[in-house]
Amino acid sequence: NAGVTQTPKFQVLKTGQSMTLQCAQDMNHEYMSWYRQDPGMGLRLIHYSVGAGITDQGEVPNGYNVSRSTTEDFPLRLLSAAPSQTSVYFCASRRDRGGTGELFFGEGSRLTVL
Amino acid sequence: KQEVTQIPAALSVPEGENLVLNCSFTDSAIYNLQWFRQDPGKGLTSLLLIQSSQREQTSGRLNASLDKSSGRSTLYIAASQPGDSATYLCAVSDDYKLSFGAGTTVTVRA
Repeated sequence: NAGVTQTPKFQVLKTGQSMTLQCAQDMNHEYMSWYRQDPGMGLRLIHYSVGAGITDQGEVPNGYNVSRSTTEDFPLRLLSAAPSQTSVYFCASRRDRGGTGELFFGEGSRLTVL
Repeated sequence: KQEVTQIPAALSVPEGENLVLNCSFTDSAIYNLQWFRQDPGKGLTSLLLIQSSQREQTSGRLNASLDKSSGRSTLYIAASQPGDSATYLCAVSDDYKLSFGAGTTVTVRA
């Protein structure tokens, strides 16, 4: 059972470039989310989804797009990368839509924007 | 807005000593509280999940308590080992979002 899988693990971009961080889970979880982790700021929610076709914004959504066409996948798109988006990105999922379940995290994607 | 605080920010103990990590939160309207472990350069590993109706959860050497009315949780790690060295994060769930503390970085000296 792979759990939550994120790719790529490392990425370097130039300002203005776009890219997609991939996230897949094989646990048939309804809820999926993206967080970013920055020194001194902790983990902050970017976007989340409670099922295929349903997404919503978190605390820091600007500059990011998401979609959820299948239960398994929840890609995060950076439209025009900025140095402020240099961070470690984590995808997380849980079985239920509501907040009572255990959240499982991927290993993270480390992004540097030059 | 939910604020989660973890004290202390860092802790260094000799091997064998019991660890006590504290977490406080400002809004008691939570679904659950989860404790995570994070090793350097790695993802978050779930340690314990306490539902809002529960008072504590135990797993091996780990025990976590929850006092929702006072907005506090404590993680106890018995008989610490060097392998327990990591950053420990607590997070509270308010339906669609987890709010995280900044973490306590633990060093267990052999």
